[in-house]
Amino acid sequence: AQSVSQHNHHVILSEAASLELGCNYSYGGTVNLFWYVQYPGQHLQLLLKYFSGDPLVKGIKGFEAEFIKSKFSFNLRKPSVQWSDTAEYFCAVNFHTSGTYKYIFGTGTRLKVLA
Amino acid sequence: DTGVSQDPRHKITKRGQNVTFRCDPISEHNRLYWYRQTLGQGPEFLTYFQNEAQLEKSRLLSDRFSAERPKGSFSTLEIQRTEQGDSAMYLCASSLETGIRYEQYFGPGTRLTVT
Repeated sequence: AQSVSQHNHHVILSEAASLELGCNYSYGGTVNLFWYVQYPGQHLQLLLKYFSGDPLVKGIKGFEAEFIKSKFSFNLRKPSVQWSDTAEYFCAVNFHTSGTYKYIFGTGTRLKVLA
Repeated sequence: DTGVSQDPRHKITKRGQNVTFRCDPISEHNRLYWYRQTLGQGPEFLTYFQNEAQLEKSRLLSDRFSAERPKGSFSTLEIQRTEQGDSAMYLCASSLETGIRYEQYFGPGTRLTVT
């Protein structure tokens, strides 16, 4: 079955540290990829998306992600995190199969940034 | 664009009672999705509508669950004879369908607690 794996469930960093959150998916066809963020007490918001083209995509708040097709990965990165980045991050994949659209989320990574 | 809204935001009910949640999507969006999210998990797909047609239902959606979108605008999700295992956050999302390249916009969710 198709799935999305986020290997880091909890990450704790100090401010200014670099961030990389892993995301791998299992589907061999064409996919669209997303990272969503959920700040404490708020709803899910789109951070960035990849549909096609340049595999390095830039999102809001200095986040970027790189699609590596051969590794089925879409890792999220930020060179220098801030306390305000404390949130839960979800990777999601969307594709078309068997006449329907699938939208599958990972289990999330809870990031805590220490001031 | 006022975003996706959901009502109520919180619902506490006793086991065996019926509950109904409402979702109002972004006005021009023709697709509407329902997800369930439990602690430590990402959103799990339940069902989606394109206009008023319910196009797909997850196996997670047991016979006690029913969703409607009668006029292709707002949607309701009803759970009959609630069980403690139904306790979760129920998320609604909407999108403008443009083939496979679309992104979903999420509402704040309805947190259901079954006692």
